[in-house]
Amino acid sequence: EAGVAQSPRYKIIEKRQSVAFWCNPISGHATLYWYQQILGQGPKLLIQFQNNGVVDDSQLPKDRFSAERLKGVDSTLKIQPAKLEDSAVYLCASSLGDRVLEVFGSGTQLSVL
Amino acid sequence: QKEVEQNSGPLSVPEGAIASLNCTYSDRGSQSFFWYRQYSGKSPELIMSIYSNGDKEDGRFTAQLNKASQYVSLLIRDSQPSDSATYLCAASREGGSEKLVFGKGTKLTVNP
Repeated sequence: EAGVAQSPRYKIIEKRQSVAFWCNPISGHATLYWYQQILGQGPKLLIQFQNNGVVDDSQLPKDRFSAERLKGVDSTLKIQPAKLEDSAVYLCASSLGDRVLEVFGSGTQLSVL
Repeated sequence: QKEVEQNSGPLSVPEGAIASLNCTYSDRGSQSFFWYRQYSGKSPELIMSIYSNGDKEDGRFTAQLNKASQYVSLLIRDSQPSDSATYLCAASREGGSEKLVFGKGTKLTVNP
């Protein structure tokens, strides 16, 4: 089966600019996650969707980050405006609704200058 | 603050040795525990899950869980250079469909 697709693979922007990331989960996976992984740290959950509804966004900095999952399939994560501390790898992952998270995408590496 | 703590290492072992990776967690409500392997520049991949106290073996990997001590470990027998990676411990309050809390990871190097 095809894996979790993410784009772009790399992105370099200046602070205060905006950026968007795209994720297409494995077909049939109801649950979609966005994680932020800062260098040297473990992934931190930003937002979790079940179909097109938000299950958990408690760690999403809502003043600058937004995410949507229209039609319960692919998803976009946006940062506006970006800060230096947003430099990280943004990982998308998906799973069947009640199964353990198994499959991450290859991630988008964001550098904010 | 629910935390998962790991020794960041690096942990260095010779080829063929047993590598022992440790993890503690602060949330007593955690029920499910996972080990992910992450090669440099790659995304994490799930290698082991454990839900009950005791040992769980899968090939060269053994996960150990002690809920009373809030302690999880991963043993890698007959370590190979291809095992060199960062190992992430994660905990969840439910079966894994709920939010995973990850540790910072332990970097393992297996020397030929």
